[in-house]
Amino acid sequence: SQQGEEDPQALSIQEGENATMNCSYKTSINNLQWYRQNSGRGLVHLILIRSNEREKHSGRLRVTLDTSKKSSSLLITASRAADTASYFCAPVPPGNTPLVFGKGTRLSVIA
Amino acid sequence: KAGVTQTPRYLIKTRGQQVTLSCSPISGHRSVSWYQQTPGQGLQFLFEYFSETQRNKGNFPGRFSGRQFSNSRSEMNVSTLELGDSALYLCASSPLRIQLNTEAFFGQGTRLTVV
Repeated sequence: SQQGEEDPQALSIQEGENATMNCSYKTSINNLQWYRQNSGRGLVHLILIRSNEREKHSGRLRVTLDTSKKSSSLLITASRAADTASYFCAPVPPGNTPLVFGKGTRLSVIA
Repeated sequence: KAGVTQTPRYLIKTRGQQVTLSCSPISGHRSVSWYQQTPGQGLQFLFEYFSETQRNKGNFPGRFSGRQFSNSRSEMNVSTLELGDSALYLCASSPLRIQLNTEAFFGQGTRLTVV
């Protein structure tokens, strides 16, 4: 299956703590993307990491990619209540394949 | 630059009716994808269109159909609505196909309730 599998399914932390979410996948990829979804709204793109990249940063976000293990992680540092959302990874294989998503990780940041 | 616009935002339909949802992508974007999101099944892929051609189709019955126009705007249609079609329908656009290392931009969705 092309879609990624996020772990854990749910995560609850205190404001100011770091949050780490993991994504595993089964196919070779061109890139892997992370998205955030606030309840009942559309997804928002966070980071795209290409298959030849190992780490990428964007503000308080850090994404790593290990293609040998077919896994990626998303780290949110110094979390805020506004980071409360569902987070999805989307591994993008080469070829004629659509963007698909797993069940996501539901992050709750408690103030 | 305007974002992805989905209309209508909310819709209530009766079982057996049909519905058409509209998606206007970001100007210049040629790829449009549709998704259905429900609490039970999560975020499921419906269709992908690029340059007016359907490039991929998800595992949905033939009651679900879509199309893309020459201006890249897209519509999806669901005929003979069932209660289980109640969901948030999301549209996403991108300038190129996703394999070419481009991101997708999502609309706010259409919340369809079938009664």
